[in-house]
Amino acid sequence: NAGVTQTPKFQVLKTGQSMTLQCAQDMNHEYMSWYRQDPGMGLRLIHYSVGAGITDQGEVPNGYNVSRSTTEDFPLRLLSAAPSQTSVYFCASSTASGGYNEQFFGPGTRLTVL
Amino acid sequence: DAKTTQPTSMDCAEGRAANLPCNHSTISGNEYVYWYRQIHSQGPQYIIHGLKNNETNEMASLIITEDRKSSTLILPHATLRDTAVYYCIVRGMGSGNTGKLIFGQGTTLQVKP
Repeated sequence: NAGVTQTPKFQVLKTGQSMTLQCAQDMNHEYMSWYRQDPGMGLRLIHYSVGAGITDQGEVPNGYNVSRSTTEDFPLRLLSAAPSQTSVYFCASSTASGGYNEQFFGPGTRLTVL
Repeated sequence: DAKTTQPTSMDCAEGRAANLPCNHSTISGNEYVYWYRQIHSQGPQYIIHGLKNNETNEMASLIITEDRKSSTLILPHATLRDTAVYYCIVRGMGSGNTGKLIFGQGTTLQVKP
């Protein structure tokens, strides 16, 4: 299994540009999430999905859209990039096994908005 | 989810046990304690979790106090590769909480030769 994969690894955008960060998992996990991590800070939840066709907002959803058309993929769209969105973005997935689940994280996408 | 408090940083000598404390005084009865770590620039990695009993796996041990208001993660023989930020997270049971982890700032553990 490849686990959780993210593309691209690095991206530089200009203010106002849009782009999509890709996330895929091959573990047949129901749950997928997007987090951002600013320098020296912990991760903050952007959006999450409990299954195909179902998404919900996390702590910091503004400026981002998500969709979940398949179990495997959970792309994150930046609608109009702003310098405040410069961050490292992590995608994660997990099973739905009662109250416990281990989240598996991808390697991250490092985004710089100029 | 209950808020957690951890020391900002700790040092540990290589080969010695690293004991990382976490305070979660507002934890409720159906909330688990999770520990994750993040080695420089990588995605976080699950370590261990527990509800009220002490737990041990191949990576670490988790000691939860009887009143569940605090816990300690123990790395029995720390190595240089254990240098990382360690996050203590309290999260409720149930599908409504699955997929959501609330990260604090964690404890930066520096293992020194």
